[in-house]
Amino acid sequence: GENVEQHPSTLSVQEGDSAVIKCTYSDSASNYFPWYKQELGKRPQLIIDIRSNVGEKKDQRIAVTLNKTAKHFSLHITETQPEDSAVYFCAASTPRYGGATNKLIFGTGTLLAVQP
Amino acid sequence: DVKVTQSSRYLVKRTGEKVFLECVQDMDHENMFWYRQDPGLGLRLIYFSYDVKMKEKGDIPEGYSVSREKKERFSLILESASTNQTSMYLCASIYVTGRNSNQPQHFGDGTRLSIL
Repeated sequence: GENVEQHPSTLSVQEGDSAVIKCTYSDSASNYFPWYKQELGKRPQLIIDIRSNVGEKKDQRIAVTLNKTAKHFSLHITETQPEDSAVYFCAASTPRYGGATNKLIFGTGTLLAVQP
Repeated sequence: DVKVTQSSRYLVKRTGEKVFLECVQDMDHENMFWYRQDPGLGLRLIYFSYDVKMKEKGDIPEGYSVSREKKERFSLILESASTNQTSMYLCASIYVTGRNSNQPQHFGDGTRLSIL
């Protein structure tokens, strides 16, 4: 069945360093790849997303890259800050029911700790 | 701003009870979802609905049912609660802007359910 693998499960970096989280998906029909950030006790919130017709997308310190051939995508955070500490989830979406519903398959999450 | 409201942040119930978790969104979204979140397992889809009175099983529907009588409200029902259903439950919704479109899901704050 559809599957998304996410690595690493935990990541500790020093403030100012870069952080990279990688995900691999199994369904070649997947065409939408959002990343969510979940701070402790809070709801997951979208931080960036990418569609299959684009190879890279940036938003300030955050970037996502997509390699459709290899079926993997990555989140890059530069100049990390303590407030970046959270759990990050990747997800892959495959259109179903004529495209009326996007069913997201989530990775298992990465706990990022940014040390001051 | 999209608001997805879950009726309870914390809930404690007993084994065998019938449990109702309520979710309301105020943005006229067509699609709504129920996930459970467990450490190391990420978010797993229980059920989703793409229209009033329409529902589809997700990846782990066993032991659950859902109800969508009105567009804004999507209820998750534990028919006979068991201890292995102790978890964080997250509701999400999405506005479908067109055929085969992918838009980010908006999450509620979650309900932490404990079954004793």
